[in-house]
Order: sequence, then C-alpha cells, then structure tokens
Amino acid sequence: NAGVTQTPKFQVLKTGQSMTLQCAQDMNHNSMYWYRQDPGMGLRLIYYSASEGTTDKGEVPNGYNVSRLNKREFSLRLESAAPSQTSVYFCASSEVTANEQFFGPGTRLTVL
Amino acid sequence: GENVEQHPSTLSVQEGDSAVIKCTYSDSASNYFPWYKQELGKGPQLIIDIRSNVGEKKDQRIAVTLNKTAKHFSLHITETQPEDSAVYFCAAILFNDMRFGAGTRLTVKP
Repeated sequence: NAGVTQTPKFQVLKTGQSMTLQCAQDMNHNSMYWYRQDPGMGLRLIYYSASEGTTDKGEVPNGYNVSRLNKREFSLRLESAAPSQTSVYFCASSEVTANEQFFGPGTRLTVL
Repeated sequence: GENVEQHPSTLSVQEGDSAVIKCTYSDSASNYFPWYKQELGKGPQLIIDIRSNVGEKKDQRIAVTLNKTAKHFSLHITETQPEDSAVYFCAAILFNDMRFGAGTRLTVKP
C-alpha cells in the first residue's frame, strides 16, 4: 500500500498562474484534507471532504478550490497564484473525521 | 473557532532525559487531541492521541495527559533517544474543526 501520495513534489509558479495539486489514498478512507504549512505556524486546514461528494472550508480557504473526484482522490486548485501562497502543502486522509490522519509527503510550492 | 497554543517552540535535552511539551486549547467542546511527529522533509505521523473521556494514555516511552478543566494537554517522552529528534505538533479537534499548534522542535543530544 502506498498510503497517501501527492504530485508534484515541487513546483514553481509565477504570480497569476494556475495549477492543481493532486492527492490520492489507497486506504479506503472516507475523509480527506488539504493543509498548508508555513514556518512557525504549524498546519492550517484549507479544505476538507468528510465523505465522498462533500467538501467544506477549513481555516484558510481563500484563493483555493477543491474537488473530491472520487473516494480515492482529492485535488486542490490555485486559480491565480499569489506569493502569499508559497508554502508546503500536505494532503491527509482518515477513516472518518476526528480520527488518526495519514499524511502524504507534501508539495513544496513557490510563487514568484 | 478553536485556538491552540504550544510551548516550548524549541527544546533541547540530553539523551536519556525526559521531554515535556504542553498545549492549551480554547474550546472546551474539543474532544480529540492527537500528537504528530514530523521528520525533516516528511509529512507528520501520529505518535499518540487521546479523547476527552480519558485523562492519560501511555504507549511505551510516550504518554499524553489531558486536563479538561484547565484545557491543556501534554506530551511526555521518557528516556529520549537521538531518533526522537523531530518537530512535534499537537492538535485539538471538534468534529470538523481541526487546529494545530505551531510545533516544538525537539533536539536530543547524544
């Protein structure tokens, strides 16, 4: 089992460009999450999907959109990237919410 | 929403000593408190968790205590080893509201 996989591992964008971060899990989990991690600020929840077919905003959703494509896949889209979105992005999944979350390896995004 | 504060931000101990990291939370309704360990270049990994109906939980050298009245919980690592060196995050969760602490960088000196 691969667990949680994320692509790409690294990405450099120019301000205004768009991109989609991909996440997939093979643990048959119901819930999936997107976080950003900035120095000194821990992990902040961007969006989550409690179950297939549902998505909800987290603590810092502005500038992002998500799609729960199916039970396995949960993507994060930046429509018009800004330097403030430079961060490390982590996808996670759990069997249900308020349970152990399994994290992917992260995507390091730089917006110039 | 929930607010979580974590202290200290950095902690250095000698191998074999104990390490304690403390977190406070603001929403008394929060009911799930996990601790994650993050090694350099990797995603966080759960090391121990506790729910609000339990006051203490232990797993070998790692223990977590929860004081619901004071709204704080702590991670205790005994007999520290160099491989315990990492960044540790606490979190407080109420249903779908998840808030993490800012992290503690633990260094264990051999």
